[in-house]
Amino acid sequence: GESVGLHLPTLSVQEGDNSIINCAYSNSASDYFIWYKQESGKGPQFIIDIRSNMDKRQGQRVTVLLNKTVKHLSLQIAATQPGDSAVYFCAENLDQAGTALIFGKGTTLSVSS
Amino acid sequence: NAGVMQNPRHLVRRRGQEARLRCSPMKGHSHVYWYRQLPEEGLKFMVYLQKENIIDESGMPKERFSAEFPKEGPSILRIQQVVRGDSAAYFCASSPGDRSGGYTFGSGTRLTVV
Repeated sequence: GESVGLHLPTLSVQEGDNSIINCAYSNSASDYFIWYKQESGKGPQFIIDIRSNMDKRQGQRVTVLLNKTVKHLSLQIAATQPGDSAVYFCAENLDQAGTALIFGKGTTLSVSS
Repeated sequence: NAGVMQNPRHLVRRRGQEARLRCSPMKGHSHVYWYRQLPEEGLKFMVYLQKENIIDESGMPKERFSAEFPKEGPSILRIQQVVRGDSAAYFCASSPGDRSGGYTFGSGTRLTVV
């Protein structure tokens, strides 16, 4: 079965709203997590990452929250823009040199103006 | 500073032919990972390689699929005797291999088997 999963396959928001995309992971040994954005016909693009010694990390307009107690990860996008429309994946792995990432199925974010 | 380069971008093969997908990692990256993505699906791990070594091939089908990362040149994912079910997007990622993360993906090869 899937090691990493997402709660909702689709999310529709209005331009300017804040978006929250959720992810649940099952491997309690995972200690490194990444959010990727994938636009149609393109490869996954790195957004932000977080290690298990943190519970929050902020980037430009994005924030990742990690709750290890319930094995939950979320990506918050502030002031969502039409260009944010894409499929978002969370990925996990063990924080060891060169281990492979395991991906969930993705959430499709649609932003209407 | 070129990223991960994959070629070809699109590949059409008839059933029974061989498909060869190439991946050149980012400069300074010595670790390569191959993933397969079916339409409307997430990325499924296939194989992880370092130069001249296969580290983890637990996601690779036992038959018809093979991968290599020679000392010189790109990593190659080979699919022999392709079938329609092999049609998918194949992505390659590379990383430095240390604990800095740094996984970077290429744009993928879209394989269509007719």
